[in-house]
Amino acid sequence: GENVEQHPSTLSVQEGDSAVIKCTYSDSASNYFPWYKQELGKRPQLIIDIRSNVGEKKDQRIAVTLNKTAKHFSLHITETQPEDSAVYFCAASTGSTDKLIFGTGTRLQVFP
Amino acid sequence: GAGVSQTPSNKVTEKGKYVELRCDPISGHTALYWYRQSLGQGPEFLIYFQGTGAADDSGLPNDRFFAVRPEGSVSTLKIQRTERGDSAVYLCASSLMAASTDTQYFGPGTRLTVL
Repeated sequence: GENVEQHPSTLSVQEGDSAVIKCTYSDSASNYFPWYKQELGKRPQLIIDIRSNVGEKKDQRIAVTLNKTAKHFSLHITETQPEDSAVYFCAASTGSTDKLIFGTGTRLQVFP
Repeated sequence: GAGVSQTPSNKVTEKGKYVELRCDPISGHTALYWYRQSLGQGPEFLIYFQGTGAADDSGLPNDRFFAVRPEGSVSTLKIQRTERGDSAVYLCASSLMAASTDTQYFGPGTRLTVL
């Protein structure tokens, strides 16, 4: 079945450094790739998404890149801040339905 | 405007009991999804509705689980004969339409604990 792999599972960076999280997906028909941020005990919040007709999207300190040939996409956070600390999930839509398949999450810790 | 809401926020029940979890989607959103999130894992798809009909229930783990959305708005996830392994956070999400590129907005979840 459809699968999304996410790496790393944990990531620790110093404030001001960059953080990169990578995901691969299995369904070649996937065409929508959102990233969610989830703080402890809170709901997942969409931070950025990308659709298959573009290769890169940026929103202030956050950017996402997509390589459809290789079936992988990445989240880039620049100038990290302590409030960026959370668990980040990537997801991919399936081709046949509208459900999202999520990765296993990356716990990001930003140290002051 | 109001986001997706879910009630109750927490539910503790005993093994074998029946539970109902409610989701109120964002007004006007036609698509509604249920996911289940176990500790340390990503959300796992259960079922989605387009309007009143369940367009995809392939994620329901077994026949103890079913969901309804009779008027195309509020949805209820129903679990019969609960088991300890059902303990998780049940998340609901809604999107404006059912296109796979529409943003899904999540509710705060219901934390279900089966003793």
